[in-house]
Amino acid sequence: GENVEQHPSTLSVQEGDSAVIKCTYSDSASNYFPWYKQELGKRPQLIIDIRSNVGEKKDQRIAVTLNKTAKHFSLHITETQPEDSAVYFCAPKSDYKLSFGAGTTVTVRA
Amino acid sequence: NAGVTQTPKFRVLKTGQSMTLLCAQDMNHEYMYWYRQDPGMGLRLIHYSVGEGTTAKGEVPDGYNVSRLKKQNFLLGLESAAPSQTSVYFCASRGGIGYEQYFGPGTRLTVT
Repeated sequence: GENVEQHPSTLSVQEGDSAVIKCTYSDSASNYFPWYKQELGKRPQLIIDIRSNVGEKKDQRIAVTLNKTAKHFSLHITETQPEDSAVYFCAPKSDYKLSFGAGTTVTVRA
Repeated sequence: NAGVTQTPKFRVLKTGQSMTLLCAQDMNHEYMYWYRQDPGMGLRLIHYSVGEGTTAKGEVPDGYNVSRLKKQNFLLGLESAAPSQTSVYFCASRGGIGYEQYFGPGTRLTVT
């Protein structure tokens, strides 16, 4: 099965600064790379995703970059705001399934 | 559209009791999934289904059974609950074209 590692496990940033979370995976057949955000007590929700034929994708303050050769992809959040405080999960897809990382707890300090 | 719904929201079981969790989606999605989430861990896949009448094992299937008799419903059964099955259970679904999974609100299960 897919081995997924996510770093760091916790991240504390000053409001307005940037945050970067990295995800490494093992299955070279993975072809879809999403990031999910989960607020306390809520369900995970997709915030951005990228397919294997694209190197970077941006959506306002968030971006995802993919390096298929090295088998890792990263989430970038710029100009962080208090509402960005949450747990973020990467979940590369192989076959029909997503394999979730252990999560990164992001805290944005005011 | 209600999206993905789960029943019940909370449940407390005694060791050895059985129960069924219901997941329903109204998006005509082909694929459905059951995950469990434990503190400090990501979501782990229990079982999944690629269409009505099909089921397959995920990463942690032991102690659980599933059925997909109707396309819109995916049932997760615990035949003899154990304290190790205390967890939050999430159901998800996705359509045949896109890869995005849509999650239900979760069921918090405690086994004493």
